[in-house]
Amino acid sequence: AQSVTQPDIHITVSEGASLELRCNYSYGATPYLFWYVQSPGQGLQLLLKYFSGDTLVQGIKGFEAEFKRSQSSFNLRKPSVHWSDAAEYFCAVGEGNNDMRFGAGTRLTVKP
Amino acid sequence: SQTIHQWPATLVQPVGSPLSLECTVEGTSNPNLYWYRQAAGRGLQLLFYSVGIGQISSEVPQNLSASRPQDRQFILSSKKLLLSDSGFYLCAWSVISYNEQFFGPGTRLTVL
Repeated sequence: AQSVTQPDIHITVSEGASLELRCNYSYGATPYLFWYVQSPGQGLQLLLKYFSGDTLVQGIKGFEAEFKRSQSSFNLRKPSVHWSDAAEYFCAVGEGNNDMRFGAGTRLTVKP
Repeated sequence: SQTIHQWPATLVQPVGSPLSLECTVEGTSNPNLYWYRQAAGRGLQLLFYSVGIGQISSEVPQNLSASRPQDRQFILSSKKLLLSDSGFYLCAWSVISYNEQFFGPGTRLTVL
């Protein structure tokens, strides 16, 4: 069955430190991959997406993600975290005629 | 440009009362439409999706229902709310099923 896993429920990093949020998926073919961010009480905003081509994708707000087919992963990274990055992050995967599926989310806390 | 609206923004309802949440999309035609729910501290749960007027698919059996009376209007309803219906309800749309979804601002529902 198709699944999206975000192994980390909650991550805390210091402001200015680097960040990596993990996402693994289980799909039959190369899926379409997305990262969304949700601030408290808000809807979801797309950070970046991968369809094909270069496996390192740049997004908004200084985020990037790398698609690794061999590991079935699409991890989100940021070299230096800002306090405003504190939010919930969702990985999502879509494929073929199937609707997009979301991971359970990772809550990011940024320490001053 | 496309926009998505949800109302009301917040709602407090007693147990056993009816519910009607509305979602409308502007600037696009024949979108796929989705209703999600987020319980406190939980991820996104897909409730319903629709690929066209009058076409509704339910992901999870429950006391909620959805309708799509017009191309860009999606309504979430209940005849009798339960305490467990409390949560944050998000509407989203997409051009095709596996592609990027665009989210509304959400409705915070509290059932007392």
